[in-house]
Amino acid sequence: SAVISQKPSRDICQRGTSLTIQCQVDSQVTMMFWYRQQPGQSLTLIATANQGSEATYESGFVIDKFPISRPNLTFSTLTVSNMSPEDSSIYLCSVGDIGETQYFGPGTRLLVL
Amino acid sequence: DAKTTQPPSMDCAEGRAANLPCNHSTISGNEYVYWYRQIHSQGPQYIIHGLKNNETNEMASLIITEDRKSSTLILPHATLRDTAVYYCIVRVGYGGSQGNLIFGKGTKLSVKP
Repeated sequence: SAVISQKPSRDICQRGTSLTIQCQVDSQVTMMFWYRQQPGQSLTLIATANQGSEATYESGFVIDKFPISRPNLTFSTLTVSNMSPEDSSIYLCSVGDIGETQYFGPGTRLLVL
Repeated sequence: DAKTTQPPSMDCAEGRAANLPCNHSTISGNEYVYWYRQIHSQGPQYIIHGLKNNETNEMASLIITEDRKSSTLILPHATLRDTAVYYCIVRVGYGGSQGNLIFGKGTKLSVKP
């Protein structure tokens, strides 16, 4: 199974600022995903990030708010822009190609004051 | 929307088998049944998956009914560390255009001493 790390593991931010979350995997993967888990809720997919193409966003999520980079096959970033307290969540990246098991990182716990 | 239905919570005595049911009556022929669990605020952990045959690994067994409309995850000897939210997910395993997972609310399993 893939080993996935995320940075930072947690952060406390002021409203109006932005935070970039990094996701690193120990092997090359085609598909990387970003999820959000709001307090007490299940996981919701934000976007799919494929190397060499624009990220594909799910309904309710837009690039201006959650810009994503995917510079190579082992790394991706998610930025949470112009944060508000409603953005307080756990943000998780996962990897896994079509037909293959998807594995998750440990998550980034974000608190916006 | 999630394609599965699970009980919101279950209790299990330590050392006993935990049997977690999942209903997926609209499953398609090319969709696998996946199980993940999430221990408090950590990233989801892959447990097992199957298409139509029963599967077993070092963590659990997966029993899928012959009509594939339901399944049961079995933890043979539950420990306190198995306390978690368990997610049953159906996902296209091949021939599909998406590799992402759709999470429902899952079953909160509480293992009690």
